[in-house]
Parts: sequence; C-alpha cells; structure tokens
Amino acid sequence: NAGVMQNPRHLVRRRGQEARLRCSPMKGHSHVYWYRQLPEEGLKFMVYLQKENIIDESGMPKERFSAEFPKEGPSILRIQQVVRGDSAAYFCASSPPRSTTEAFFGQGTRLTVV
Amino acid sequence: GQNIDQPTEMTATEGAIVQINCTYQTSGFNGLFWYQQHAGEAPTFLSYNVLDGLEEKGRFSSFLSRSKGYSYLLLKELQMKDSASYLCAVRDRAGNMLTFGGGTRLMVKP
Repeated sequence: NAGVMQNPRHLVRRRGQEARLRCSPMKGHSHVYWYRQLPEEGLKFMVYLQKENIIDESGMPKERFSAEFPKEGPSILRIQQVVRGDSAAYFCASSPPRSTTEAFFGQGTRLTVV
Repeated sequence: GQNIDQPTEMTATEGAIVQINCTYQTSGFNGLFWYQQHAGEAPTFLSYNVLDGLEEKGRFSSFLSRSKGYSYLLLKELQMKDSASYLCAVRDRAGNMLTFGGGTRLMVKP
C-alpha cells in the first residue's frame, strides 16, 4: 500500500505563472487535507476535501488559490499568478472515512517562485 | 479558533531525557497529536491522546491534561537521529482538520 504521493517534489515558477500541485491519497482514504509550511515555521491548514466536495476551506487565501478532489484522479492545489510569498512547502495528508486517528502526510512539494 | 504554543528550540545530550511541552487554547477539542519532522521531509505520526493521562510507546511517551490545556512529549534515551522538529497538533471537535503549533526544533548533541 503506497503512502500519500505528491508530485512534483520540487517546482520552480516565475512570478505570474501558475503552479499545480498533485496529491494522490493512500488507498482507501477519501479525506484529503492541504497544509502550507513556510521555512522554520509550523504547518498551516489550508483546505479539507472529500471526493468532489470542499468541506472546509477556511485556511485558503481568498484569491489565486483553489483546490479540487475529483471523483477520479488526484487532488489538485492550484495557485494562479504566483508571487514570491507563495514560496513554501505544500503538504498533503489523507485519512480514511470516519477516521479517529492520525492523518498520513506526503513528502510535500517545495514551490520556489523566482 | 485554536492557539497552540510550544518552545521554538531545545537542546539535549545523547542518552538523556527531554520533555517538550505544548499548551493549547481551543474552541473545540477532539484529540492531540505529536508528529516528528526531519528537515525537508514529511511529518510522521508519533502519538495521539484524547483522554487524560500518559500514553507510552517505546522511547516516546505523551501526556495530556484537558483541563489544563497541556500536553508534553517525553523522549528517553535520546539518540542523534532524534534531532528533528516535533509538532504538536490539535484536532477540532468536528474531527476534521489538525491545527499545528510552530514546532520545537530539538538538537541532540554527543
């Protein structure tokens, strides 16, 4: 059973370009969470999704950021018109339905905006 | 909302015991987690407490007092590989997202 898979591991974008980050949850997991981590800081919650539904997006910036988790395929975090401040590590975590224990994290995507 | 505090950095000696504290103030509580994160890597699960008391798992133990909004992670027989950041996280009442503290960077010295 493969773990949470994120790709790419590293992504470099110029200011104004779009960044698309992918997350494939563990097999059997239908809950996906995205977190952002700035250097030397903790993880900040962004969004919680289930298949085809956004459950909680209270941590998402109001503009330029969007997330989806389609019926088929990975969850996508999309950042439009990236700025230098978007440079961070973006982690995805997944958990099974009705989970009462831990979420499992992927290796993260390190986005660098130049 | 959630507010979680933990020390930024700690240093300890190989073979010793270290205690990393975490205090939280939350509008809802459904469990407290500790994760370990090595530089450049994903957080990995260490422990989970939802009831008061001590949970022991090998060299690592975690304690929770819900009335005090307090937890600690205890690491015994420290090894060099324990040098990492330790993240305290609280799950909200709905059982959805985790809110993380800023992490405690532990440096283990010979």
